[in-house]
Amino acid sequence: EAGVAQSPRYKIIEKRQSVAFWCNPISGHATLYWYQQILGQGPKLLIQFQNNGVVDDSQLPKDRFSAERLKGVDSTLKIQPAKLEDSAVYLCASSPLTGNSGNTIYFGEGSWLTVV
Amino acid sequence: LAKTTQPISMDSYEGQEVNITCSHNNIATNDYITWYQQFPSQGPRFIIQGYKTKVTNEVASLFIPADRKSSTLSLPRVSLSDTAVYYCLVGFNAGGTSYGKLTFGQGTILTVHP
Repeated sequence: EAGVAQSPRYKIIEKRQSVAFWCNPISGHATLYWYQQILGQGPKLLIQFQNNGVVDDSQLPKDRFSAERLKGVDSTLKIQPAKLEDSAVYLCASSPLTGNSGNTIYFGEGSWLTVV
Repeated sequence: LAKTTQPISMDSYEGQEVNITCSHNNIATNDYITWYQQFPSQGPRFIIQGYKTKVTNEVASLFIPADRKSSTLSLPRVSLSDTAVYYCLVGFNAGGTSYGKLTFGQGTILTVHP
């Protein structure tokens, strides 16, 4: 089974520039997450989609971050304009909704962003 | 959401059993307990999940007491490759048409020495 795919793997941009990250979840997974992980910290949830609807975006800095999941499959996370403090790994994850199982989330390798 | 508390770091030696305990005093009735492992430059990887008592898989065991206010991840006979960050998460059961959400804490940095 293919895992969660993310691209690009690495990106370096100057502050005030824009960047976009793409994610393709595991086939059939209804839920898609974007997490931000700053070096030395645990991942922080930015946004959660259920199919193509937003379930939780309470921690997404909406003045500069946006995300969409058109057609309920792959997703794009955009940052515009970027700030130095946005330097982090952006992790995409997905999970199925099956029966009464706990919510097992499968993560991609992450997209590393450095803002200079 | 239930908050979790784990040790910031732990050290062990190859071949030893490692137990990492996590506190989650305000766990809700329908919350599951999940542990993830993260290596540098990789996304977190699911290790084990449980609701109560004991769960065992090919990688680890998870012990959950009756009050569910804590849990212990047990890694038998660790090797150097088990050096990683381990996260304990408590989250909403994604059963039926509802959705699940997991919040990560700081995690425990486990270092296995030769």
